[in-house]
Amino acid sequence: QVKLLQSGAELVKPGASVKLSCKTSGFTFSTSYMSWLKQVPGPSIEWIGWIYAGDGGTNYNQKFKGKATLTVDKSSSTAYMDLSSLTSEDAAVYFCAKGLRKGFAYWGQGTLVTVSS
Amino acid sequence: DIQMTQSPHSLSASLGETVSIECLASEGISNYLAWYQQKPGKSPQLLIYYASSLQDGVPSRFSGSGSGTQYSLKISNMQPEDEGVYYCQQGYKYPWTFGGGTKLELK
Repeated sequence: QVKLLQSGAELVKPGASVKLSCKTSGFTFSTSYMSWLKQVPGPSIEWIGWIYAGDGGTNYNQKFKGKATLTVDKSSSTAYMDLSSLTSEDAAVYFCAKGLRKGFAYWGQGTLVTVSS
Repeated sequence: DIQMTQSPHSLSASLGETVSIECLASEGISNYLAWYQQKPGKSPQLLIYYASSLQDGVPSRFSGSGSGTQYSLKISNMQPEDEGVYYCQQGYKYPWTFGGGTKLELK
């Protein structure tokens, strides 16, 4: 069955960067679109962008350009998201998810990012 | 960006009751509308896609309808496991956007 397993919680200092991972199984990763989403307590959800694992093509929410960088490793069926220059505004739970315009049918369990000195 | 406005913000329902949640898009989204349920500490679960198509494995008491800018999710025969927060999401135009959520509780 489809599984998306995300890396563990991160505590990072302001100004630092962090790389989150999403290891997948149960489907053909190389022909899939993987999205990343942000959820802050409130609760609200924002779509950050997607990456096409086949060729690494990306589509970002303008709001997250320069903040998030999406990459994949096809050899391990893993998607990654780099978050740079972290501030308190970046503290959130981040999800990876599989799906496109019809919605996200599969989600990772989420990674909590805490930004604190 | 397309704004997605959900109503009500919260509601409570009795066992067996039928409830509806509304989602209004700031412009037409051609039925590219998905509904999710999220329980505390869990990931969202896709319930409905393309406004009215039931995702595999989702109970038939969930149904979606609407067109243009107005969409709704109906939950018939409310069950305890239906408690949670419900979100709508448009996949019509980038950036894809979510509604603010509706919290549903069992009365």
